[in-house]
Amino acid sequence: QVQLMQSGAEVKKPGASVKVSCKASGDTFNNHYIHWVRQAPGEGLEWMGLINPRDDSIDYAQKFQGRVTVTRDTSTSTIYLDLINLRSDDTAVYYCAREAAPAGRNFDSWGQGTLVTVSS
Amino acid sequence: QSALTQPRSVSGSPGQSVTISCTGTSSDVGAHKYVSWYQQHPGKAPKVIIYDVSKRPSGVPDRFSGSKSGYTASLTISGLQAEDEADYYCCSYGGTYFTYAFGTGTEVTVL
Repeated sequence: QVQLMQSGAEVKKPGASVKVSCKASGDTFNNHYIHWVRQAPGEGLEWMGLINPRDDSIDYAQKFQGRVTVTRDTSTSTIYLDLINLRSDDTAVYYCAREAAPAGRNFDSWGQGTLVTVSS
Repeated sequence: QSALTQPRSVSGSPGQSVTISCTGTSSDVGAHKYVSWYQQHPGKAPKVIIYDVSKRPSGVPDRFSGSKSGYTASLTISGLQAEDEADYYCCSYGGTYFTYAFGTGTEVTVL
């Protein structure tokens, strides 16, 4: 059973913005924090932020403060990642990941990833 | 903001054991039990193989084990198998500038 299903690949120009979606199963949306993690080509994993879909509380890595927004749509059980002022070094695969419950502090299910390419 | 430090690569022959270290600080790895490890095969999403320093999720072979001493966590793969060839990342909750930090990643090669 797929817990997290992400939107398709995107190609953007520098300075533009991108919105990546992550549709969660009902149990996942209602009972788990959802995180965003990215991976640049050939590089490691980088934690970006999280949302508690139940109460809309959020937390972002300091590096992305001011450029990233994570939101949720309760009617469709979907979580969104918005990244603005894109640069070439934002080219990466963006993953949504579910935090194990309760307060598991680890990621027990991942989306398939969304490739965002930033190029002029 | 600094990622946790891992060796770039380790290798071993089938059946051997390899250990990957993950060094942090008193604010993250050294502060609590919330260290996890992820296995990532090329083109695939990561998969959790160890959580809470040393616990294995259901379905993960017991040749994977985790431990921690001070600011350094470790992942040991005993009885190395061909399918263990992958990238491995540690992850810790906490830290001065982020709620979670990943390690720099280690490529495991089965000779």
